[in-house]
Amino acid sequence: SQKIEQNSEALNIQEGKTATLTCNYTNYSPAYLQWYRQDPGRGPVFLLLIRENEKEKRKERLKVTFDTTLKQSLFHITASQPADSATYLCALVPDSNYQLIWGAGTKLIIKP
Amino acid sequence: DGGITQSPKYLFRKEGQNVTLSCEQNLNHDAMYWYRQDPGQGLRLIYYSQIVNDFQKGDIAEGYSVSREKKESFPLTVTSAQKNPTAFYLCASSPGETQYFGPGTRLLVL
Repeated sequence: SQKIEQNSEALNIQEGKTATLTCNYTNYSPAYLQWYRQDPGRGPVFLLLIRENEKEKRKERLKVTFDTTLKQSLFHITASQPADSATYLCALVPDSNYQLIWGAGTKLIIKP
Repeated sequence: DGGITQSPKYLFRKEGQNVTLSCEQNLNHDAMYWYRQDPGQGLRLIYYSQIVNDFQKGDIAEGYSVSREKKESFPLTVTSAQKNPTAFYLCASSPGETQYFGPGTRLLVL
């Protein structure tokens, strides 16, 4: 079956360290993959998009990698801050119709 | 101030009652989506519309209905046929690849 998986356990990181979140998928060949941030009781907010022919994408303290051989995307936050605490969702587009398939998200907690 | 709005923030449904969730956008996006979010699960697509007067069922459309009479508006009705409606409902619009979400409506059953 087709699946997209994120670590369901919360990730606790000390402030200033790099946080790394994982998104694994099976039985898809996605055209691109996206990462969103969701705060409690609010809608997700788009962060980054990476295409199948791109290995890495950066935006300020954020970095996303995409390994189509491993069927995995990694999301990094460098110099993490307590304000980065949120749930991070990955979503992939399996074909060209722009419908997203969503992971359940990983809760990130940055401790001061 | 452009954006996407949803109302109400909280909605209570009595058994056997239909309720309608509002979603409005002024971003001039053609595509609009309704998702349901339950704890520990990814967003699940209920309905989507890529153009006015046209919409398609998503993965969990049973017990829900929508309309798309205007580009700006995409209301979702939760019918009495939806036996487990308690969830957080999210509306999104999109110009293409990325999606822009509203603040959500939390539906609770009395």
